[in-house]
Amino acid sequence: GEDVEQSLFLSVREGDSSVINCTYTDSSSTYLYWYKQEPGAGLQLLTYIFSNMDMKQDQRLTVLLNKKDKHLSLRIADTQTGDSAIYFCAERDPKAAGNKLTFGGGTRVLVKP
Amino acid sequence: DAGVIQSPRHEVTEMGQEVTLRCKPISGHDYLFWYRQTMMRGLELLIYFNNNVPIDDSGMPEDRFSAKMPNASFSTLKIQPSEPRDSAVYFCASQTAGDYGYTFGSGTRLTVV
Repeated sequence: GEDVEQSLFLSVREGDSSVINCTYTDSSSTYLYWYKQEPGAGLQLLTYIFSNMDMKQDQRLTVLLNKKDKHLSLRIADTQTGDSAIYFCAERDPKAAGNKLTFGGGTRVLVKP
Repeated sequence: DAGVIQSPRHEVTEMGQEVTLRCKPISGHDYLFWYRQTMMRGLELLIYFNNNVPIDDSGMPEDRFSAKMPNASFSTLKIQPSEPRDSAVYFCASQTAGDYGYTFGSGTRLTVV
């Protein structure tokens, strides 16, 4: 079965880098995702990585994937106060019809000035 | 496009009452997902549709919950009778085949007293 785990909380100073970690259990996952949720809002897709990639960079965001350890991380460079939010990782269930995603519990990131 | 539109944004109801949550997906999207978010359980997939047909409703908690998608532009999630433990934020999301992630609505915050 699928199970996606994340740490609950991360505190970081403005301007520093943030690293949010995630572990997943389904080794056949084809796509892994990072979503951001700001207070009172829905989840917003930040980035995704295909399982045949090790790294993906998109401006301040870097995603690293270690398939052997089933570990996914999101690095945010030069963290800003606007990055304070809950970050969810998610894996796609390759056995399900359509793009069924299983989400982790979310990591609350607090950026201190 | 206005994105995924959910209504109402907030709903307060008394235990035992019927509650109907509504969702308008993005035009042209052929997948629609209903999720529930609570502090205790995180994000749970309740049900999802493809081309208006329910594909997987294994996440629906019990018979008190039902979901319909009478056409490509509208879906409802009904709870009858509602209970205090149904209090949560309910999200609708849509996607078109080939997209890499979902687009979420802003959610409906349901409080059952």
